[in-house]
Amino acid sequence: RKEVEQDPGPFNVPEGATVAFNCTYSNSASQSFFWYRQDCRKEPKLLMSVYSSGNEDGRFTAQLNRASQYISLLIRDSKLSDSATYLCVVNNGSNYQLIWGAGTKLIIKP
Amino acid sequence: GAGVSQSPSNKVTEKGKDVELRCDPISGHTALYWYRQRLGQGLEFLIYFQGNSAPDKSGLPSDRFSAERTGESVSTLTIQRTQQEDSAVYLCASTRSWGNEQFFGPGTRLTVL
Repeated sequence: RKEVEQDPGPFNVPEGATVAFNCTYSNSASQSFFWYRQDCRKEPKLLMSVYSSGNEDGRFTAQLNRASQYISLLIRDSKLSDSATYLCVVNNGSNYQLIWGAGTKLIIKP
Repeated sequence: GAGVSQSPSNKVTEKGKDVELRCDPISGHTALYWYRQRLGQGLEFLIYFQGNSAPDKSGLPSDRFSAERTGESVSTLTIQRTQQEDSAVYLCASTRSWGNEQFFGPGTRLTVL
């Protein structure tokens, strides 16, 4: 089993729709969780950190489920500019290494 | 302020040659990471520097790979006797300390012919 697993997609979603995807992780000792966004042929950029209580930033909501060891990302009222690959990132237990998922590709269509 | 910069942006080399990639982190960021990203894949951890501590080299795929960092400044990643499977984008990221947001450079796209 991979340490961090994501559905590679692509998710083809009409503009304005709501889309959600999950990411599962294997290390129960992981403490830090992030969603990064990566545009084609660009470097990753932080979208949001994921807190135990869940957090929301505008149209984006992230949640953590420790019992089932997954994090989720929900995007409401999707925009064409949301088209990107979304990378799930989890720290490797108590140390500084971040384990990166392979990403979920999202395509928003007009 | 300036972000993370990397050079060169693109490098094409012949199999067997050595290459050196450079990363300039954000000033004041004590931690620096090197990653490799193959086409359509996630980021693969290579090496981690934290201040003047000994680096974590556990991600380096072979002894052909090495990296150095002087204090909390520039880092160089060297690949000796390049192979075709080394072709990838090499990304550098810096952060104030581990666990915090990582800021990435634009990467170096390495192509080994």
